[in-house]
Amino acid sequence: NAGVTQTPKFQVLKTGQSMTLQCAQDMNHNSMYWYRQDPGMGLRLIYYSASEGTTDKGEVPNGYNVSRLNKREFSLRLESAAPSQTSVYFCASSEMITDTQYFGPGTRLTVL
Amino acid sequence: KNEVEQSPQNLTAQEGEFITINCSYSVGISALHWLQQHPGGGIVSLFMLSSGKKKHGRLIATINIQEKHSSLHITASHPRDSAVYICAVNSGGSNYKLTFGKGTLLTVNP
Repeated sequence: NAGVTQTPKFQVLKTGQSMTLQCAQDMNHNSMYWYRQDPGMGLRLIYYSASEGTTDKGEVPNGYNVSRLNKREFSLRLESAAPSQTSVYFCASSEMITDTQYFGPGTRLTVL
Repeated sequence: KNEVEQSPQNLTAQEGEFITINCSYSVGISALHWLQQHPGGGIVSLFMLSSGKKKHGRLIATINIQEKHSSLHITASHPRDSAVYICAVNSGGSNYKLTFGKGTLLTVNP
């Protein structure tokens, strides 16, 4: 089992460009999450999907959109990237919303 | 004041030492998580606990709900334990609200 996979691993964007970060899990988990991690700050939740067909905002949703494509996949889209979105992005999944989470390897995004 | 505070922020130890990392929180919780983030960036869940104590190998996690405090202990520390250890609390009950501490950077020297 691959667990949680994320693509791409690294990305450099110019201000105003758009891109989609992909996340997939093969553990048949119901819940999936997108976080960002910035130096000196804890992980912060961007969006989550408690179950297939539902998505909810987290602590820092502005500038992002998500799609729970199916039970396996949960994508994060930046419509118009800004330098403030330079960060490391982690996807995670869990059996249920209250369970242990399994994290992907992360995507390091730089917006110039 | 952050909902989740960890101490110390940085910790350096010699191989073999007993290590304690502390986590205090200010809200009612349904569960507390301990995570490990290695220098390469990958994050692994170590424990999820809502009461008492859990042990896995050389790692022990305890929680005192009344005092709103948890500790992560590492016995017989090894350089491969060098990582950032992160505490997170679920204060949303059946809803999702996971708040993370800023982490404790542990360096174990040979």
